[in-house]
Amino acid sequence: AQRVTQPEKLLSVFKGAPVELKCNYSYSGSPELFWYVQYSRQRLQLLLRHISRESIKGFTADLNKGETSFHLKKPFAQEEDSAMYYCALSGDYGGSQGNLIFGKGTKLSVKP
Amino acid sequence: DVKVTQSSRYLVKRTGEKVFLECVQDMDHENMFWYRQDPGLGLRLIYFSYDVKMKEKGDIPEGYSVSREKKERFSLILESASTNQTSMYLCASSFMAGALQNTEAFFGQGTRLTVV
Repeated sequence: AQRVTQPEKLLSVFKGAPVELKCNYSYSGSPELFWYVQYSRQRLQLLLRHISRESIKGFTADLNKGETSFHLKKPFAQEEDSAMYYCALSGDYGGSQGNLIFGKGTKLSVKP
Repeated sequence: DVKVTQSSRYLVKRTGEKVFLECVQDMDHENMFWYRQDPGLGLRLIYFSYDVKMKEKGDIPEGYSVSREKKERFSLILESASTNQTSMYLCASSFMAGALQNTEAFFGQGTRLTVV
């Protein structure tokens, strides 16, 4: 079964502290993984994807196939990072590719 | 800029009504999706379409149907609205997965539907 698990509903840190949002996945093939973010009153948008291997807004995520994880990390959290974060997996439905399966999301709260 | 536009931001409907939620995208994307977003449950896929007139059931299709007569438009239909369908509905679109294609999904602003 294709599944994305985000174990934390809420993560609260102080400004300047490191952040790690956990994501584990279950997928039989070669996965394509993403992190999406939703800031208050804004639409859901892509933060980063594992294929790009880039850092966006100071965030990075490494795909670990052995642990089936794709954790999102940032060394120094900022207040503007407060948002809802969703991990997503590109999976298959009926043989078609490109749909996205989302985790339940983690709300990150960065306190001053 | 990619635009995914949902026809309504807020809707209030009565139990038993037939409800149409419309979504239009302007990037010539093959894939279009309907999700519902509920606190603590994340985004759950209702239906997915990878081409005109093609559709696939997602995780929670019961009580919903979809229509894709044109590539740019994907409609979600609640055949007989019920109170448990009160939710935020999100439409998204993306290119079909391929070796060089970017499969980033672009989302609409959401429709908050309340069924009373």
